Amino acid sequence: GAGVSQSPRYKVAKRGQDVALRCDPISGHVSLFWYQQALGQGPEFLTYFQNEAQLDKSGLPSDRFFAERPEGSVSTLKIQRTQQEDSAVYLCASSLTGRRYEQYFGPGTRLTVT
Amino acid sequence: GNSVTQMEGPVTLSEEAFLTINCTYTATGYPSLFWYVQYPGEGLQLLLKATKADDKGSNKGFEATYRKETTSFHLEKGSVQVSDSAVYFCALRTDNAGNMLTFGGGTRLMVKP
Repeated sequence: GAGVSQSPRYKVAKRGQDVALRCDPISGHVSLFWYQQALGQGPEFLTYFQNEAQLDKSGLPSDRFFAERPEGSVSTLKIQRTQQEDSAVYLCASSLTGRRYEQYFGPGTRLTVT
Repeated sequence: GNSVTQMEGPVTLSEEAFLTINCTYTATGYPSLFWYVQYPGEGLQLLLKATKADDKGSNKGFEATYRKETTSFHLEKGSVQVSDSAVYFCALRTDNAGNMLTFGGGTRLMVKP
C-alpha cells in the first residue's frame, strides 16, 4: 500500500515568508509525528498528534511554528516569517496507536531559506 | 532527559568487512531501542529494534543487542555489501516521553567494492 507522502519535496523560501508543509499519513494510522532534521544531524522531535488532537508540541522551536491535523488525517506544518535557521528537512511519520507500533517515515520536505 | 550518542562517520569499509557502529544512550525511564537506516534519496526505515535488556534485534544480517549495564546498542554486521551504504541512526523511545523517538546524529557508512 501507499506509504507516508509529503509535499512539496523541496521548498525555497525567502527570509520572512510563510511556508506550509503537507503530510499524508498511511491510511488508518492514528498517530502522526513531525521531526526536523538539520544537515548532518539526526531528526529532532517537533510535535505529535493522536487523531486530530495535538498531544505534544514540546519540540516546536518557537511560536512561529504551528501544526494542525483538523480531520485526523492530513497534517500541515506551518512556519511563519521563516528564518535561515529554519533550513532543514522536515520529516513526517505515522503509526498505529500505541508504543509498540513502528513509525513509518515519509521522504521529507527539504526547506531552504535564503 | 533522553539522549543518544553514536560514533561519527563516515565509516569506510571494503566489501565483506565486519561492521560495528557504536551507540550509547541516556534515558529517564526504561527505553526501547532502534536502528533506522536512510538509503540515498529515500526516507528513514526501521532496520531493527529491541524492547528489553538482553534482547537482540536482527534484520538483513544486521544485529544489535540491548545492553542495559553499559547503556549500549551497538550495530554489527559480519560481512557488509556495497548496497549497505547508507546513513544509520540509533534511536530510543521511553514510556515517560510519549511516543516520540530520540535520535543520535547518524553514521554514514560507505562500502567500497
